[in-house]
Amino acid sequence: KNEVEQSPQNLTAQEGEFITINCSYSVGISALHWLQQHPGGGIVSLFMLSSGKKKHGRLIATINIQEKHSSLHITASHPRDSAVYICAVNNAGGTSYGKLTFGQGTILTVHP
Amino acid sequence: DAGITQSPRHKVTETGTPVTLRCHQTENHRYMYWYRQDPGHGLRLIHYSYGVKDTDKGEVSDGYSVSRSKTEDFLLTLESATSSQTSVYFCATQRGPRGVPGQPFMNTEAFFGQGTRLTVV
Repeated sequence: KNEVEQSPQNLTAQEGEFITINCSYSVGISALHWLQQHPGGGIVSLFMLSSGKKKHGRLIATINIQEKHSSLHITASHPRDSAVYICAVNNAGGTSYGKLTFGQGTILTVHP
Repeated sequence: DAGITQSPRHKVTETGTPVTLRCHQTENHRYMYWYRQDPGHGLRLIHYSYGVKDTDKGEVSDGYSVSRSKTEDFLLTLESATSSQTSVYFCATQRGPRGVPGQPFMNTEAFFGQGTRLTVV
């Protein structure tokens, strides 16, 4: 079992729909990252959070440390949101700062 | 966005040849990482650096070496390329932990390069 699990693996939506992508992890963490990767493109950091909730435009990320779970929400989805969304965690403790453990990614397709 | 440049962006090479990928950053970030991305495996850490001349292995380091002679450059070398090393390689940087003495440090945001697509034939 992977340390970081995302669901769903694939998600198709119509423009305007509210979207939720989930991430569960099995280890203690010091931070959780949500990343976005467009086809053939680089990886962009959307959020880094260790507690609570963050919002940026139409994107909202939440984390529940006790339940080891995070969600990424997209409100009023748009075709340009079509991308792979990746959850990654920094393991707590240890001596190796910043190393990330990644989920498999969620492929999101938003149709006009 | 952090100024992270990977070169080359695409490369085709033959089995058995050495290959060097370069990651260049202009942000003066202390920490640098090389990851590979493969279908079914996601992103996995190859090597990382926590300062000039300070490097360590990640989970998939066999067949790879790295060097960091100055803050801005982190080189990944495939000593003798194999077909199993066909992948997309990403460099990432982080500024470094921030916080106050005696308190747990706070992680900082990760920045990624555009990736290098390497094909070993």
